[in-house]
Amino acid sequence: DIQMTQSPSSLSASVGDRVTITCQASQDISNYLNWYQQKPGKAPKLLIYDASNLERGVPSRFSGSGSGTDFTFTLSSLQPEDIATYYCQQSDNLPYTFGQGTKLEIK
Amino acid sequence: EVQLVESGGGLVLPGGSLRLSCTASGFGFSFYSMNWVRQAPGKGLEWISNIGSNHSSIYYADSVRGRFAISRDNAKNSLFLQMNNLRADDTAVYYCARDAFSGGAFDYWGQGTLVTVSS
Repeated sequence: DIQMTQSPSSLSASVGDRVTITCQASQDISNYLNWYQQKPGKAPKLLIYDASNLERGVPSRFSGSGSGTDFTFTLSSLQPEDIATYYCQQSDNLPYTFGQGTKLEIK
Repeated sequence: EVQLVESGGGLVLPGGSLRLSCTASGFGFSFYSMNWVRQAPGKGLEWISNIGSNHSSIYYADSVRGRFAISRDNAKNSLFLQMNNLRADDTAVYYCARDAFSGGAFDYWGQGTLVTVSS
């Protein structure tokens, strides 16, 4: 199975800050990397697919980059409504696997 | 509007069985692969099963293979998960999720249904 290592596990930032989360795959997954946002008590929501493609309706302050084994998720300007846990997920090989999550909090 | 609505969760004894359902609306259900993803209390996300659009392929995570069975009824826009020989570590919220057309990303999710395995 492909292991996904996400960091940091938690992050505290101020409104307006630039936030970066990284995700590393245990083997080359090309660009088959997706990012999700999950707010407490809610289902996850797809934000970015295939490493860098913004899902329809997602604000442009969210972005993703990377290929191979190293990927980055960026929030250009943190807003209060962005408080959530973020997960990466590889879709190159079954079983699909997720990172352990990054809990984002307001400082 | 795309909607996925899970049902069938509840409290079950260890070793027991439960059948989850996911009813889809607002899109051509028969054209999409579908998945079950679960989340134990306070934990991360775990993909557990996938079924192709026309039952052509079925996959399971090692943690559930041999105990869970995924199926679908395209005529009724429904996805199912039969869960047998349940264990305490199967306690989780179970989500159904649609495969995006490009494959592998989950673009729509249900609200989840809680399964609690406890004596």
